[in-house]
Formats: sequence, structure tokens, C-alpha cells
Amino acid sequence: DGGITQSPKYLFRKEGQNVTLSCEQNLNHDAMYWYRQDPGQGLRLIYYSQIVNDFQKGDIAEGYSVSREKKESFPLTVTSAQKNPTAFYLCASSISTGNLNEQFFGPGTRLTVL
Amino acid sequence: AQSVAQPEDQVNVAEGNPLTVKCTYSVSGNPYLFWYVQYPNRGLQFLLKYITGDNLVKGSYGFEAEFNKSQTSFHLKKPSALVSDSALYFCAVRGLTGGGNKLTFGTGTQLKVEL
Repeated sequence: DGGITQSPKYLFRKEGQNVTLSCEQNLNHDAMYWYRQDPGQGLRLIYYSQIVNDFQKGDIAEGYSVSREKKESFPLTVTSAQKNPTAFYLCASSISTGNLNEQFFGPGTRLTVL
Repeated sequence: AQSVAQPEDQVNVAEGNPLTVKCTYSVSGNPYLFWYVQYPNRGLQFLLKYITGDNLVKGSYGFEAEFNKSQTSFHLKKPSALVSDSALYFCAVRGLTGGGNKLTFGTGTQLKVEL
């Protein structure tokens, strides 16, 4: 998990609340990603960013928003529009968007909706 | 569209025996293939990748994977399993479709190594 931090480790949210998950990297990577992990479904891409001030929707972007104001930071907001937000959220980064580069993952945030 | 299949939800192996975790893929053009491992409540750790060249790729912790283009497979292997290898393993693929560095992951295979 080195080089990528996610906070908090556990997060509890009441229905109807927006919450923001933090992701910071000190690897000087251009590209950053957010994934959602549910049991038996693997990882699904929510949003990704290839460079500062630019980001694209992934496969399951509805109910989520992101920003990329700084190279090292890529926060994810889970909005009240997300119907089933309880999941394990993983942030990742890679040197660039080239196909040869592996992604490095943070330790994850487990979000539970009460 | 690209996809990955990991046909086994769980693989059980005795310590000291060889292990194989299966992965097949579908992608347009040349595939770029990756294996990651996840321990409970942790992020994913990179094990190895195939980009081009030798079909047998060696990675971290004694793991290796064999790329087979005709069978569109990229099975993960280790000659002698350890109890500490017990974890969730993900295969991932990226092709040349679309922009960015988007990986498509399989659903994961739980490896259990027993004494």
C-alpha cells in the first residue's frame, strides 16, 4: 500500500448524507482511479483521472463525484443519489495512462450506510 | 469490450504442493495482463504483469504466470504453496480500446493453503 493513503479506514453514513473519501499519493503519479469492491463482483471502476483538472466516468459513476485539483489528491464524494453505497472503496494510481504501467492501490475505505 | 474470467471462486491447496489460479481473458488487440493479491481488509498488491516477450512471467513472492495466446489464458502458478499465500487473487486485463489506463478485473479467486 506504500505511497497511497486513504482516509478514513471505516466510515459510517446515514441515509441521505453525502460523504467524501480521501485519497492522497506521494508517488508523483499522473493517473488516479477509484474502484468499488463488492463481495463476489471484483473491482468496478467509478472514476479515473489522467491529469490534474481532468477526470472521466468509469463503469459505475452514477451517484458519485470527484475532483482533481492537485496531482497528489483525488477525493471521491458518495452522494445521496447512490442507491447502494455500502462497499469497500479502493483508490489507485499509476505513473501515466500508458498501458504498460501497473496500478498501485491504497489500503481502502469501508463505507457503511446505517 | 474487454473481460476477464476467473472460473474458480476458491482454490484449496496443501502447503508444499504446487498451486494454479486460472484466468482467461477477452480483449481486442494485444492484451496486457496483470495479477494482484489482496489480504483481508487491505488494498491490492501487484504481483506480476505480461506485456510482451517471454510467455512465462516471474513476479513477487515466487509467483509466476504463463501467457497462452491460443487459449487466451494467463494462469497464476507457484511451485510450492505456503500458508501465507492464502489470500484473494485478481486477474486483470487492459487492451487498446478507449483512453486512459483502464483495467478490467476478474471477480477474484480465494486461495486457501492448508497445513
